[in-house]
Amino acid sequence: GQQVMQIPQYQHVQEGEDFTTYCNSSTTLSNIQWYKQRPGGHPVFLIQLVKSGEVKKQKRLTFQFGEAKKNSSLHITATQTTDVGTYFCAGSAGNMLTFGGGTRLMVKP
Amino acid sequence: NAGVTQTPKFRVLKTGQSMTLLCAQDMNHEYMYWYRQDPGMGLRLIHYSVGEGTTAKGEVPDGYNVSRLKKQNFLLGLESAAPSQTSVYFCASSYPDRRFFGPGTRLTVL
Repeated sequence: GQQVMQIPQYQHVQEGEDFTTYCNSSTTLSNIQWYKQRPGGHPVFLIQLVKSGEVKKQKRLTFQFGEAKKNSSLHITATQTTDVGTYFCAGSAGNMLTFGGGTRLMVKP
Repeated sequence: NAGVTQTPKFRVLKTGQSMTLLCAQDMNHEYMYWYRQDPGMGLRLIHYSVGEGTTAKGEVPDGYNVSRLKKQNFLLGLESAAPSQTSVYFCASSYPDRRFFGPGTRLTVL
C-alpha cells in the first residue's frame, strides 16, 4: 500500500533558526496536504499543494511539491516559540489520504 | 459552528470492556473518518464513511466497528477492549479533501 515517510522525526532548534521537514511518498500523489498539531491538540489543516513543482508561502512558512509529485517539504524561516508542534504531511492517491509519521519541532527561546 | 466534537475526552477501560466513542459534525460534510494516533506513527485510518448509512475499512480496522446512522454522527465501537487499543482517537470530517479534526479522545485500556 501507499507509504508516506517523513524526516526528521524530531528537531530541536534555537529560536530564530530555520527548520525544514521532508516528506516522501512511495507512489505518485494527486495532492499533498500539511497539518500542524500543537502539543495536546488536534491536527489543523495548513495547506494543500496540487501542481507539480508548486510552491506556496504562508508568512514564514514555505511549502513545496516536487516535480515528480512524490515528495514535498515545509520550510519555516526564523522559527518562533509559537511554531512548536508536530507537522504532518498527508499524501492523497486515489481515494486515500495517508499521513506521514510527523516531525516534532521544539524551539528553545 | 462547533465544527467536529467528540465525546468523551478521556476514558479508562479494563481489558474486555466495551465502549462507544461519539463524533458529531455540524458542517454538513459527507465524509467522516476515525483515526488513531500513537507516538511516532502518525495518524492511522481505522474506518471511514462516505455518507449516511455507509462505512468502509481503513488501514487498521480490526477490533473496531462503526456506524453512521445520521449524516452528522459517526460512532466508533470497541466490543472487547485490549491494551493495544490504548491510543488517542481522532474523528474528522472532510470537504472536499481537507480534514477537519475533532479534539480527540484519550483512551487507556488496562
